[in-house]
Amino acid sequence: GAGVSQSPSNKVTEKGKDVELRCDPISGHTALYWYRQSLGQGLEFLIYFQGNSAPDKSGLPSDRFSAERTGGSVSTLTIQRTQQEDSAVYLCASSSTSYPTKQYFGPGTRLTVT
Amino acid sequence: SQQGEEDPQALSIQEGENATMNCSYKTSINNLQWYRQNSGRGLVHLILIRSNEREKHSGRLRVTLDTSKKSSSLLITASRAADTASYFCATDRRGVTGANSKLTFGKGITLSVRP
Repeated sequence: GAGVSQSPSNKVTEKGKDVELRCDPISGHTALYWYRQSLGQGLEFLIYFQGNSAPDKSGLPSDRFSAERTGGSVSTLTIQRTQQEDSAVYLCASSSTSYPTKQYFGPGTRLTVT
Repeated sequence: SQQGEEDPQALSIQEGENATMNCSYKTSINNLQWYRQNSGRGLVHLILIRSNEREKHSGRLRVTLDTSKKSSSLLITASRAADTASYFCATDRRGVTGANSKLTFGKGITLSVRP
């Protein structure tokens, strides 16, 4: 079946502009995660959805970052007034309700803020 | 600081050799997982070991877990050029109940396998 998809694959934006990144999880996966990976670094957790609610938003770096999930499926990560330090690869993952949790990752969106 | 910290940060070996990568963590865990990442894109799950397990095998992969030392190792035997990638350990922490708990990833190890 189809895996996790993300769009766009690459995004170049000017400092100060808003961007929206989209994630389509694997069908039937109730959990969805957003991570950020800066060049040569590990994964920084941003937010986790269970269904449409976000029980853990602890990783969002500032109030410029927000995310929503509708219909228990597609999620959008929005970054307002982008800064150069927002440049990174944004990865989305989803998992089923079975435990232990294995996460299935999308290919990521490479965001470059100029 | 990172829950999982891998070492070495980079490893270069000849095709056919074995590659051993280590991961240390700080708090008690439910399980530990290893993921592979090619070319800075999405991660692929490789293997999971539960806290009550000591060793697990999957094909050319062997994972060990020592909860007393809070460490794990990933061994890739008979390496191939296609194994060139970054490898991350991820910990699923004890105390987080139920499904869909959050994984905490280390910074990763860059493995280069020379043909």
